Amino acid sequence: GNSVTQMEGPVTLSEEAFLTINCTYTATGYPSLFWYVQYPGEGLQLLLKATKADDKGSNKGFEATYRKETTSFHLEKGSVQVSDSAVYFCASTTSGTYKYIFGTGTRLKVLA
Amino acid sequence: ETGVTQSPTHLIKTRGQQVTLRCSSQSGHNTVSWYQQALGQGPQFIFQYYREEENGRGNFPPRFSGLQFPNYSSELNVNALELDDSALYLCASSLDRDNSPLHFGNGTRLTVT
Repeated sequence: GNSVTQMEGPVTLSEEAFLTINCTYTATGYPSLFWYVQYPGEGLQLLLKATKADDKGSNKGFEATYRKETTSFHLEKGSVQVSDSAVYFCASTTSGTYKYIFGTGTRLKVLA
Repeated sequence: ETGVTQSPTHLIKTRGQQVTLRCSSQSGHNTVSWYQQALGQGPQFIFQYYREEENGRGNFPPRFSGLQFPNYSSELNVNALELDDSALYLCASSLDRDNSPLHFGNGTRLTVT
């Protein structure tokens, strides 16, 4: 079946450091890919998405590129802030399945 | 626009009891999905409702059931609660049933003792 695998956390970085959170997927067909962020005590918020190969999603300084050849959708940010501390989830959905498959989440902690 | 709201925020139940969780969809959204998020895990798909009909279901037993109302609000019902049902239950609405970004509420934290 379809699955999403993301790097385990926690990831601890200093402010202004470069961030990469790895995400790979398996899917039949051509999934759409997403990154969601969950702040403490809140539900998930859509961070960015990409719907086809080579698309780049971006938002709030974060970006991720849909790589079909490596089945990956790694999240990057050039300079993290303390306010980016949260749990990040990679997710996929394939047309006709009506459901999202989420990874287990990666906790990011940014220190001032 | 009004976002997705869920009630209650926290709930404690005893094993064997029944529970109903409620969700109001974001304005303009006709689809609602429910997810279970165990501690330290990603959300797991329970089911989706589209135009008041169940449109897809994950690997959850029949004691998990739902409803969607004409105003697109929704309920999740769980009968015969088990200890493993303790989790954060997330409601998400979307513009359409397929390939449409999910908009989540803040969830209901259910504890079964």
